[in-house]
Amino acid sequence: NAGVTQTPKFRILKIGQSMTLQCTQDMNHNYMYWYRQDPGMGLKLIYYSVGAGITDKGEVPNGYNVSRSTTEDFPLRLELAAPSQTSVYFCAADRVLTGNSPLHFGNGTRLTVT
Amino acid sequence: AQTVTQSQPEMSVQEAETVTLSCTYDTSESDYYLFWYKQPPSRQMILVIRQEAYKQQNATENRFSVNFQKAAKSFSLKISDSQLGDAAMYFCAYRSVEYGGATNKLIFGTGTLLAVQP
Repeated sequence: NAGVTQTPKFRILKIGQSMTLQCTQDMNHNYMYWYRQDPGMGLKLIYYSVGAGITDKGEVPNGYNVSRSTTEDFPLRLELAAPSQTSVYFCAADRVLTGNSPLHFGNGTRLTVT
Repeated sequence: AQTVTQSQPEMSVQEAETVTLSCTYDTSESDYYLFWYKQPPSRQMILVIRQEAYKQQNATENRFSVNFQKAAKSFSLKISDSQLGDAAMYFCAYRSVEYGGATNKLIFGTGTLLAVQP
C-alpha cells in the first residue's frame, strides 16, 4: 500500500498565482486533514474532511479551499498565492475521528511563494 | 482550548546515551490521547509512541518510553541507547477523546530538534 501520496514535492509560485496540492490515499479512510508546518510553529490544521462531500475549516483556513468528491482524494487549492503561504504542507488520513490510532501522513509539499 | 508546549527547541545527545525531551500541555479534559511523532530530514511524520490518559502505566516502545505525569500535565519522551538514526525533529501532540469535529484534531507542540553526536 502506498498510504497517503502528495504531489508535487516542491513548488515555487509567484504572488497571485494559483495551484492545487494533490493528496490521495488508498487506505479507504474517511477522515482526511491538511496541515501546514511553519518553522518553530509546529503543525496547524487548515481544513479537514469526515467523508466524501463533507469538509470543514480548521485553525488557519484563510486563502485555501478544499474539496472531497471521493474518499480517496482531498486536494488543497490556493487561489491567490501570498508569501505568507510559504510553508510545508502535509496531508493526513485516519480511520477514526478520535482515538489513539496514528494519523497517516504524506511526505509533504514544500511551497515557496515569491 | 488545549495547548502543547515543548520548551526545548534543540537538544543534543551522544550516541548510546540517554536523552529526555520535555512536553507539557494544558487541558480541562480528563481523558485524551498523547503522542510523540518523529520527523527526520526526509519530512516524513512517524509515530514514535502514544499514551491514553486513563492508563496509569507509562507507554514503552523498544528504546522509547514516556514519563506521563497527568496531574502535572507533563509527557516527556525518553530515548535510551541513542542512535544516529534518532536524529530528527520530535513533536509532542494532544488529541481530545470527545467527538467534536476539529476539536479532535491533533494539536502539536513546536518541536524539539534532536542531534545525535557520534
